[in-house]
Amino acid sequence: NAGVTQTPKFQVLKTGQSMTLQCAQDMNHNSMYWYRQDPGMGLRLIYYSASEGTTDKGEVPNGYNVSRLNKREFSLRLESAAPSQTSVYFCASSRGLSYNEQFFGPGTRLTVL
Amino acid sequence: TQLLEQSPQFLSIQEGENLTVYCNSSSVFSSLQWYRQEPGEGPVLLVTVVTGGEVKKLKRLTFQFGDARKDSSLHITAAQPGDTGLYLCAGARTNAGKSTFGDGTTLTVKP
Repeated sequence: NAGVTQTPKFQVLKTGQSMTLQCAQDMNHNSMYWYRQDPGMGLRLIYYSASEGTTDKGEVPNGYNVSRLNKREFSLRLESAAPSQTSVYFCASSRGLSYNEQFFGPGTRLTVL
Repeated sequence: TQLLEQSPQFLSIQEGENLTVYCNSSSVFSSLQWYRQEPGEGPVLLVTVVTGGEVKKLKRLTFQFGDARKDSSLHITAAQPGDTGLYLCAGARTNAGKSTFGDGTTLTVKP
């Protein structure tokens, strides 16, 4: 089992460029999440998908879009990147039951110039 | 907005010392998780506590859930350099579909 995988691991963009961060899980989990983590801060939820076919906004959704492609895959898209979106992005998954124990990917380190 | 406040924000200690970090909220959670994150990696789940007053032990780590299920603590006995990392707590509510994360405690254990 690979758990949660994310691609790419590193990315540098220029302001205004677009890109899609990919995430996949092989644990048959129902729920998937996208977070960003900035230096010295915890995790801030961008979007989540409680089950296949549904997506909901988190704390900081502006400038992002998501797609739950199927049960395994959940992608995050930046349509027009801004320097404020420089961050480390983590994808996570969980069974989605009451305990909501989450399993995280290794992260994507994004720099927007 | 449900907030989870962690304290202290930073902690630097010598190997062999004991420490406690706290996770507090004004909201009730159905469960609370503790995660550890090492530099350059994603958070890794350490434990889940569910019942008010519950105590769980993981080797030298002791986790406690408050009686009212609003707060939690993590106690480390005889800390080692390998305990260095960011410790995050996260609260979940039944059927909410998401968790609330605290900002974390950055622990450095010096040899």
